Amino acid sequence: GAVVSQHPSWVICKSGTSVKIECRSLDFQATTMFWYRQFPKQSLMLMATSNEGSKATYEQGVEKDKFLINHASLTLSTLTVTSAHPEDSSFYICSALRDSFMNTEAFFGQGTRLTVV
Amino acid sequence: DAKTTQPNSMESNEEEPVHLPCNHSTISGTDYIHWYRQLPSQGPEYVIHGLTSNVNNRMASLAIAEDRKSSTLILHRATLRDAAVYYCILRANTGNQFYFGTGTSLTVIP
Repeated sequence: GAVVSQHPSWVICKSGTSVKIECRSLDFQATTMFWYRQFPKQSLMLMATSNEGSKATYEQGVEKDKFLINHASLTLSTLTVTSAHPEDSSFYICSALRDSFMNTEAFFGQGTRLTVV
Repeated sequence: DAKTTQPNSMESNEEEPVHLPCNHSTISGTDYIHWYRQLPSQGPEYVIHGLTSNVNNRMASLAIAEDRKSSTLILHRATLRDAAVYYCILRANTGNQFYFGTGTSLTVIP
């Protein structure tokens, strides 16, 4: 299967600082990427849809000014958590959509564990 | 987003087949049925997907009801490495978002 890589795998930051998470599709081009957040023992919650070269589309209840998404190339999307607070501590997961004739699949990164202290 | 219903948890003995059910009574004609699984502290892993016909791959089989209101993921011989949370997801043909439900936590007993 295709490979999607996230960096970093985990990060600890101080309250009030910003953290950037990268999501790369390593062996295919992805015009669409998605960002999810997952709290312990819960399912993945879709935060936003990231389209290359255009503004991200955020799900209802997700603050676009707090979670900045940039999809500057066909292989890279970034999520920046601005002014992070302890309640932002979570597992953040990206996925990249690979489109081929008659088939669309989403490949997921390994996730980034964010801890805000 | 179209909704799926799965049992919260299931158990299986090692090397026995496992049938994981999913109900999706509000599925539309163009929704694809996807299955992913997630091991602890990892991102979801693709398992299988289909539209109308049953599908087989090296990991599993997908049986889709004739009316498409339900589907079943079949693991032919469960191994300890198959212990994970299995998610059944409907993907609309437009938008392509994958909305995750609660999933089924599969425990494989040695």
